[in-house]
Amino acid sequence: NAGVTQTPKFRILKIGQSMTLQCTQDMNHNYMYWYRQDPGMGLKLIYYSVGAGITDKGEVPNGYNVSRSTTEDFPLRLELAAPSQTSVYFCASSRRQGPSNQPQHFGDGTRLSIL
Amino acid sequence: GENVEQHPSTLSVQEGDSAVIKCTYSDSASNYFPWYKQELGKGPQLIIDIRSNVGEKKDQRIAVTLNKTAKHFSLHITETQPEDSAVYFCAASIKDTGNQFYFGTGTSLTVIP
Repeated sequence: NAGVTQTPKFRILKIGQSMTLQCTQDMNHNYMYWYRQDPGMGLKLIYYSVGAGITDKGEVPNGYNVSRSTTEDFPLRLELAAPSQTSVYFCASSRRQGPSNQPQHFGDGTRLSIL
Repeated sequence: GENVEQHPSTLSVQEGDSAVIKCTYSDSASNYFPWYKQELGKGPQLIIDIRSNVGEKKDQRIAVTLNKTAKHFSLHITETQPEDSAVYFCAASIKDTGNQFYFGTGTSLTVIP
């Protein structure tokens, strides 16, 4: 079982460059999420999606964009990289079971440095 | 939105002792409380969760308690082992919000052999 797969694992960008962080899941989960994790700050939600074609902002969406064209994939786009976006990025997914909350399953992260 | 606070930020225990991590939440509509363990270089892994209709849940050496009135929940690890060393996160979630989680800031647990 692959679960949630994130690529790349590490990346160094220059200020102003753009890139896409890839995330794919093979569990047929409806819900997908992007978080960033900064030291001592826990996980902050960037964007989430409740199904293909539907996305919504989380707590810290500025500087990021997402799309959800398929159930499996949920890429995160950085258009103009800034040093403040240096972080570890995690993608997660969960199934939908009526109104009942379900566990989120996480990938192993992408470590991004912007210099 | 929901605000989750977690304490302590670091915790060191001797092998075999118990460890307790506490979280508080602000929104009384929160009804699902998972706990995650994160090892170095890995993503968070669910270790136990509890729903608001239950006061306590146990799974071998791990237990979680929930006090809805006081809006706090705690993780208890008994007979700690070196492999329990990791960062632990609590989270809270409100029904019908796209399963959004609000995470605490994490507790770095070190078990000293």
